[in-house]
Amino acid sequence: DTGVSQNPRHKITKRGQNVTFRCDPISEHNRLYWYRQTLGQGPEFLTYFQNEAQLEKSRLLSDRFSAERPKGSFSTLEIQRTEQGDSAMYLCASSKFSGSSYNEQFFGPGTRLTVL
Amino acid sequence: SQQGEEDPQALSIQEGENATMNCSYKTSINNLQWYRQNSGRGLVHLILIRSNEREKHSGRLRVTLDTSKKSSSLLITASRAADTASYFCATPFYISGSRLTFGEGTQLTVNP
Repeated sequence: DTGVSQNPRHKITKRGQNVTFRCDPISEHNRLYWYRQTLGQGPEFLTYFQNEAQLEKSRLLSDRFSAERPKGSFSTLEIQRTEQGDSAMYLCASSKFSGSSYNEQFFGPGTRLTVL
Repeated sequence: SQQGEEDPQALSIQEGENATMNCSYKTSINNLQWYRQNSGRGLVHLILIRSNEREKHSGRLRVTLDTSKKSSSLLITASRAADTASYFCATPFYISGSRLTFGEGTQLTVNP
């Protein structure tokens, strides 16, 4: 499978614990995005990288959230001191940016986080 | 805040009928994208239409874009039960930005 992959697919944790999610983009894609989606809503942008540089962060990305893409390939999203309000589907997407401003993003299956 | 708004929120049709979903957005864009999401799964990219295009086809999908009205429509012809999903339009946060904003989606149910 050469699509975007995410691990784990499901995560159940207790409030106050830290969790980390991983995203592996399509191999030739240089941009990687994180979105969050709650039930009945569309995805909301969190942050994105071009290669290893984090270029934009949403106000939704509080200081408990941190994302990295150390070698410009896979990315991790860590949530520290989880709260019940963090329960959501975390989606990763990737795209190939080559100077064109048309930005077709391809999504992974998501990681569903449940905070008890 | 969300840029796009889909209409209707829910649509139920019989297999073989056509389904039309609409999307309105607020700011100038250079492209608009439609995605499908099956329950509890990731999003599947359906089609991207550029601001200088008025209509685009892909298989049973037809997308229109009216930049003067800041609206788009997605038509699925000859629907199948497998088309049952949520459909989202997505637009750049600013004209050509990488950050996409999504509406709340249209939940389509196709009854066999």
